[in-house]
Amino acid sequence: GENVEQHPSTLSVQEGDSAVIKCTYSDSASNYFPWYKQELGKGPQLIIDIRSNVGEKKDQRIAVTLNKTAKHFSLHITETQPEDSAVYFCAAISTDKLIFGTGTRLQVFP
Amino acid sequence: NAGVTQTPKFQVLKTGQSMTLQCAQDMNHEYMSWYRQDPGMGLRLIHYSVGAGITDQGEVPNGYNVSRSTTEDFPLRLLSAAPSQTSVYFCASSYSKRNNQPQHFGDGTRLSIL
Repeated sequence: GENVEQHPSTLSVQEGDSAVIKCTYSDSASNYFPWYKQELGKGPQLIIDIRSNVGEKKDQRIAVTLNKTAKHFSLHITETQPEDSAVYFCAAISTDKLIFGTGTRLQVFP
Repeated sequence: NAGVTQTPKFQVLKTGQSMTLQCAQDMNHEYMSWYRQDPGMGLRLIHYSVGAGITDQGEVPNGYNVSRSTTEDFPLRLLSAAPSQTSVYFCASSYSKRNNQPQHFGDGTRLSIL
Protein backbone atom coordinates (compact mmCIF):
# COMPACT_ATOMS: atom_id res chain seq x y z
CA GLY A 1 0.00 0.00 0.00
CA GLU A 2 0.87 3.67 -0.11
CA ASN A 3 3.44 5.08 2.30
CA VAL A 4 3.92 8.83 2.70
CA GLU A 5 6.97 10.23 4.47
CA GLN A 6 7.14 13.86 5.56
CA HIS A 7 10.09 16.00 6.66
CA PRO A 8 10.91 17.85 8.80
CA SER A 9 8.77 17.05 11.81
CA THR A 10 9.33 20.55 13.23
CA LEU A 11 10.33 23.78 11.51
CA SER A 12 11.01 27.16 13.06
CA VAL A 13 11.41 30.26 10.91
CA GLN A 14 11.56 34.00 11.39
CA GLU A 15 8.61 36.03 10.19
CA GLY A 16 9.12 36.95 6.54
CA ASP A 17 11.34 33.96 5.77
CA SER A 18 10.32 31.04 3.57
CA ALA A 19 9.37 27.56 4.79
CA VAL A 20 9.64 24.33 2.82
CA ILE A 21 8.10 20.98 3.76
CA LYS A 22 8.91 17.86 1.76
CA CYS A 23 7.05 14.59 1.24
CA THR A 24 7.74 11.37 -0.61
CA TYR A 25 5.27 8.68 -1.62
CA SER A 26 5.59 5.08 -2.71
CA ASP A 27 2.59 4.29 -4.98
CA SER A 28 3.41 5.32 -8.55
CA ALA A 29 -0.33 5.24 -9.35
CA SER A 30 -1.09 8.09 -6.92
CA ASN A 31 -2.51 11.05 -8.81
CA TYR A 32 -3.77 13.52 -6.20
CA PHE A 33 -1.68 15.27 -3.54
CA PRO A 34 -3.39 17.63 -1.09
CA TRP A 35 -1.86 19.66 1.73
CA TYR A 36 -3.73 20.36 4.95
CA LYS A 37 -3.22 22.88 7.74
CA GLN A 38 -4.34 22.00 11.25
CA GLU A 39 -4.69 24.58 13.98
CA LEU A 40 -4.91 23.66 17.64
CA GLY A 41 -8.20 22.00 18.54
CA LYS A 42 -9.47 22.00 14.96
CA GLY A 43 -9.78 19.55 12.11
CA PRO A 44 -7.38 19.74 9.15
CA GLN A 45 -8.24 22.25 6.42
CA LEU A 46 -7.18 21.98 2.80
CA ILE A 47 -4.81 24.76 1.78
CA ILE A 48 -3.68 23.61 -1.66
CA ASP A 49 -3.68 20.47 -3.80
CA ILE A 50 -1.99 19.29 -6.97
CA ARG A 51 -2.76 16.59 -9.49
CA SER A 52 -0.29 14.37 -11.29
CA ASN A 53 -0.67 16.15 -14.64
CA VAL A 54 0.69 19.38 -13.14
CA GLY A 55 4.23 20.10 -11.95
CA GLU A 56 3.58 23.23 -9.90
CA LYS A 57 0.66 25.16 -8.50
CA LYS A 58 0.64 28.50 -6.70
CA ASP A 59 -1.92 30.31 -4.57
CA GLN A 60 -0.67 33.66 -3.26
CA ARG A 61 2.09 32.86 -0.73
CA ILE A 62 1.67 29.10 -0.99
CA ALA A 63 3.02 26.87 -3.74
CA VAL A 64 3.29 23.14 -4.24
CA THR A 65 5.66 21.30 -6.58
CA LEU A 66 5.42 17.70 -7.75
CA ASN A 67 8.12 15.48 -9.19
CA LYS A 68 6.42 12.28 -10.33
CA THR A 69 9.62 10.62 -11.47
CA ALA A 70 11.21 10.99 -8.04
CA LYS A 71 7.86 10.53 -6.26
CA HIS A 72 8.16 13.59 -4.11
CA PHE A 73 6.21 16.79 -3.62
CA SER A 74 6.87 19.89 -1.56
CA LEU A 75 5.00 22.78 0.05
CA HIS A 76 6.55 26.23 -0.13
CA ILE A 77 5.33 29.12 2.02
CA THR A 78 6.87 32.50 1.29
CA GLU A 79 6.83 35.64 3.45
CA THR A 80 5.72 33.64 6.47
CA GLN A 81 3.50 35.27 9.07
CA PRO A 82 2.78 34.30 12.70
CA GLU A 83 -0.68 33.07 11.64
CA ASP A 84 1.03 30.46 9.45
CA SER A 85 2.05 28.68 12.68
CA ALA A 86 0.24 25.31 12.67
CA VAL A 87 0.75 21.64 11.85
CA TYR A 88 0.89 20.87 8.13
CA PHE A 89 0.11 17.48 6.60
CA CYS A 90 0.81 16.19 3.15
CA ALA A 91 -1.23 13.33 1.70
CA ALA A 92 -1.42 11.11 -1.36
CA ILE A 93 -4.33 9.15 -2.72
CA SER A 94 -4.02 5.42 -3.37
CA THR A 95 -6.99 3.35 -4.58
CA ASP A 96 -9.62 5.66 -3.07
CA LYS A 97 -7.75 6.01 0.22
CA LEU A 98 -6.06 9.23 1.31
CA ILE A 99 -2.82 8.41 3.13
CA PHE A 100 -1.28 11.16 5.27
CA GLY A 101 2.24 12.02 6.23
CA THR A 102 3.12 12.36 9.90
CA GLY A 103 2.93 16.15 9.94
CA THR A 104 5.23 19.16 10.31
CA ARG A 105 4.84 21.60 13.16
CA LEU A 106 5.69 25.05 11.78
CA GLN A 107 6.47 27.88 14.17
CA VAL A 108 6.85 31.40 12.82
CA PHE A 109 8.54 33.78 15.25
CA PRO A 110 7.81 37.52 15.04
CA ASN B 1 -24.52 24.75 5.62
CA ALA B 2 -22.84 23.27 8.72
CA GLY B 3 -20.29 21.11 6.85
CA VAL B 4 -19.14 18.05 8.82
CA THR B 5 -20.51 17.79 12.35
CA GLN B 6 -19.05 15.40 14.92
CA THR B 7 -20.54 14.54 18.29
CA PRO B 8 -19.57 14.34 21.06
CA LYS B 9 -16.51 16.64 21.20
CA PHE B 10 -15.09 14.89 24.28
CA GLN B 11 -15.72 11.49 25.85
CA VAL B 12 -14.20 9.38 28.61
CA LEU B 13 -14.89 5.65 28.62
CA LYS B 14 -13.89 2.72 30.75
CA THR B 15 -12.17 -0.29 29.23
CA GLY B 16 -14.76 -2.65 27.77
CA GLN B 17 -17.50 -0.08 27.27
CA SER B 18 -19.03 0.46 23.86
CA MET B 19 -19.71 3.76 22.18
CA THR B 20 -20.81 5.32 18.90
CA LEU B 21 -19.14 8.44 17.53
CA GLN B 22 -21.53 10.38 15.34
CA CYS B 23 -20.69 12.10 12.06
CA ALA B 24 -23.07 13.97 9.79
CA GLN B 25 -22.53 16.09 6.69
CA ASP B 26 -25.00 18.33 4.86
CA MET B 27 -23.08 18.74 1.60
CA ASN B 28 -24.54 15.68 -0.16
CA HIS B 29 -21.06 14.16 -0.34
CA GLU B 30 -20.71 10.58 -1.54
CA TYR B 31 -17.42 9.81 0.17
CA MET B 32 -17.05 9.74 3.95
CA SER B 33 -14.22 8.51 6.13
CA TRP B 34 -12.96 8.16 9.69
CA TYR B 35 -9.39 8.86 10.83
CA ARG B 36 -7.64 8.65 14.13
CA GLN B 37 -4.87 11.06 15.04
CA ASP B 38 -2.14 10.09 17.48
CA PRO B 39 0.98 12.10 18.40
CA GLY B 40 3.75 11.66 15.84
CA MET B 41 1.66 9.39 13.62
CA GLY B 42 -0.41 11.77 11.55
CA LEU B 43 -3.91 10.76 10.53
CA ARG B 44 -4.58 7.09 9.92
CA LEU B 45 -7.61 5.89 7.99
CA ILE B 46 -9.94 3.59 9.96
CA HIS B 47 -12.89 2.99 7.62
CA TYR B 48 -14.38 4.72 4.63
CA SER B 49 -17.53 4.70 2.50
CA VAL B 50 -18.00 5.59 -1.16
CA GLY B 51 -21.79 5.83 -0.81
CA ALA B 52 -24.83 4.71 1.14
CA GLY B 53 -24.72 0.99 1.84
CA ILE B 54 -21.02 0.65 0.99
CA THR B 55 -18.16 0.58 3.50
CA ASP B 56 -14.56 -0.59 3.38
CA GLN B 57 -11.56 -0.91 5.67
CA GLY B 58 -8.72 1.55 5.93
CA GLU B 59 -5.26 1.19 7.48
CA VAL B 60 -6.34 0.51 11.10
CA PRO B 61 -9.86 -1.01 11.13
CA ASN B 62 -9.54 -3.46 14.03
CA GLY B 63 -11.84 -2.73 16.97
CA TYR B 64 -14.11 -0.42 14.96
CA ASN B 65 -17.32 -0.90 13.00
CA VAL B 66 -19.10 1.46 10.63
CA SER B 67 -22.33 1.57 8.66
CA ARG B 68 -23.71 3.96 6.04
CA SER B 69 -27.47 3.75 5.89
CA THR B 70 -27.88 7.31 4.56
CA THR B 71 -25.73 9.68 2.52
CA GLU B 72 -25.59 12.14 5.43
CA ASP B 73 -24.53 9.94 8.36
CA PHE B 74 -21.48 7.76 8.99
CA PRO B 75 -21.26 6.59 12.61
CA LEU B 76 -18.18 4.88 14.05
CA ARG B 77 -18.71 2.20 16.69
CA LEU B 78 -16.24 1.01 19.29
CA LEU B 79 -17.50 -2.40 20.36
CA SER B 80 -15.29 -2.93 23.43
CA ALA B 81 -13.10 0.08 24.16
CA ALA B 82 -9.40 -0.47 24.88
CA PRO B 83 -6.81 2.03 26.19
CA SER B 84 -5.03 1.78 22.80
CA GLN B 85 -8.07 3.46 21.25
CA THR B 86 -7.45 6.67 23.19
CA SER B 87 -7.07 9.17 20.39
CA VAL B 88 -8.61 12.08 18.54
CA TYR B 89 -11.06 10.91 15.90
CA PHE B 90 -11.85 12.89 12.76
CA CYS B 91 -14.62 12.36 10.28
CA ALA B 92 -14.26 13.71 6.75
CA SER B 93 -16.33 13.89 3.59
CA SER B 94 -15.62 14.47 -0.08
CA TYR B 95 -17.74 15.11 -3.14
CA SER B 96 -16.05 12.49 -5.28
CA LYS B 97 -16.56 8.75 -4.91
CA ARG B 98 -12.97 8.35 -6.00
CA ASN B 99 -11.83 10.67 -3.21
CA ASN B 100 -9.64 12.71 -5.52
CA GLN B 101 -11.36 15.88 -4.40
CA PRO B 102 -10.76 17.99 -1.30
CA GLN B 103 -11.87 16.41 1.95
CA HIS B 104 -13.79 18.44 4.52
CA PHE B 105 -13.03 17.54 8.13
CA GLY B 106 -15.05 17.88 11.29
CA ASP B 107 -13.44 19.32 14.44
CA GLY B 108 -12.88 15.92 16.02
CA THR B 109 -13.92 13.81 18.99
CA ARG B 110 -11.35 13.53 21.77
CA LEU B 111 -11.73 10.08 23.30
CA SER B 112 -10.00 8.78 26.44
CA ILE B 113 -10.22 5.15 27.49
CA LEU B 114 -9.35 4.45 31.13
